[in-house]
Amino acid sequence: GAGVSQSPSNKVTEKGKDVELRCDPISGHTALYWYRQSLGQGLEFLIYFQGNSAPDKSGLPSDRFSAERTGGSVSTLTIQRTQQEDSAVYLCASSFSPNSPLHFGNGTRLTVT
Amino acid sequence: AQSVSQHNHHVILSEAASLELGCNYSYGGTVNLFWYVQYPGQHLQLLLKYFSGDPLVKGIKGFEAEFIKSKFSFNLRKPSVQWSDTAEYFCAVTGVRGSARQLTFGSGTQLTVLP
Repeated sequence: GAGVSQSPSNKVTEKGKDVELRCDPISGHTALYWYRQSLGQGLEFLIYFQGNSAPDKSGLPSDRFSAERTGGSVSTLTIQRTQQEDSAVYLCASSFSPNSPLHFGNGTRLTVT
Repeated sequence: AQSVSQHNHHVILSEAASLELGCNYSYGGTVNLFWYVQYPGQHLQLLLKYFSGDPLVKGIKGFEAEFIKSKFSFNLRKPSVQWSDTAEYFCAVTGVRGSARQLTFGSGTQLTVLP
């Protein structure tokens, strides 16, 4: 079927506003990751969901960032009170199992003005 | 927690030159190792992976990587690069159990191949 789908593809928001980024993983994939890709910074791990286990939130940069995964499928990454340094491409990836290769979405480019 | 270092941030080669991109990881346990590639305007995709067995693994498009456990390295190689190999390359590692299961990426190496 379809690959990992992320929406929106682009988001421009004003500093201080909240944003929600959505990820639809490949059906049947139990693992879901959020990464942030900033210019010159590589891929920064944010959060990892695996099945029904408690998510690994160790990469979230501050308490303004949160994510949930409903019904083991769709995930939403929420950034509250956005700051200019939050501007980046936010990538979602899923895999069939923890050690399977990741399938990446095309990302959401977030620009905070 | 594991970490990954890619020491070359930008590599520029001419076509037909040989390529080696360095990757070192830090983790005390058993690891799975990956190289991902991001071509211009495209999303990340898997190039090759190592789980166990033969430490020399072959991937798509003529790439290979060698796992050297004693050096904590997983360098990517290609004997003769092409212009179409221009992309950003990311090394990644995951532990095989517990809290180390999250996939950690290096900062990436931008490869530019001149025609």
